[in-house]
Amino acid sequence: EADIYQTPRYLVIGTGKKITLECSQTMGHDKMYWYQQDPGMELHLIHYSYGVNSTEKGDLSSESTVSRIRTEHFPLTLESARPSHTSQYLCASSGTVDTQYFGPGTRLTVL
Amino acid sequence: DAKTTQPNSMESNEEEPVHLPCNHSTISGTDYIHWYRQLPSQGPEYVIHGLTSNVNNRMASLAIAEDRKSSTLILHRATLRDAAVYYCILRRLSYGKLTFGQGTILTVHP
Repeated sequence: EADIYQTPRYLVIGTGKKITLECSQTMGHDKMYWYQQDPGMELHLIHYSYGVNSTEKGDLSSESTVSRIRTEHFPLTLESARPSHTSQYLCASSGTVDTQYFGPGTRLTVL
Repeated sequence: DAKTTQPNSMESNEEEPVHLPCNHSTISGTDYIHWYRQLPSQGPEYVIHGLTSNVNNRMASLAIAEDRKSSTLILHRATLRDAAVYYCILRRLSYGKLTFGQGTILTVHP
């Protein structure tokens, strides 16, 4: 069973606030990913990391930023939240076997 | 990544087998066929993957056409908990990123 955690699960916040979505995994995986998914729509990769101090932008442009200072931790930050950032954010990780394990997601609503 | 084509939706009755098709006519020799599913209000979960031969695991079976241009995910006895969006994805080994399409919405009737 995969051990990947996301907090908070739900977040309602006002426009202009800075937010950080947390993602942690206890499997020692080198690769970690952030996906964004609007209700009923496809998942889109917005950031990924292949190891500590490695981050890359994904297929969908995003105003968010990420950092990878520790193997197990891959937080996503929005400096100034806007209503257009309202979405579900899903974190995933994978190891040498290459299967991706997903967290439960964070549902973000920006008012 | 090469593109896959799946039906938008399928329906099944509980305890009956379900065959979910996927077309990938532009697949390359190094592309693996991965299947993930996403239950309502959850993140996706891995189901199965294969390269050329048919594959079985505790969740499902994967049947791959001889020319590899199509594949079928088989759920042997559908349950209500199998109702989900099923994604067929092509990926080179260790490439990392997954490119999700629309997937197939599977509805299971009691």
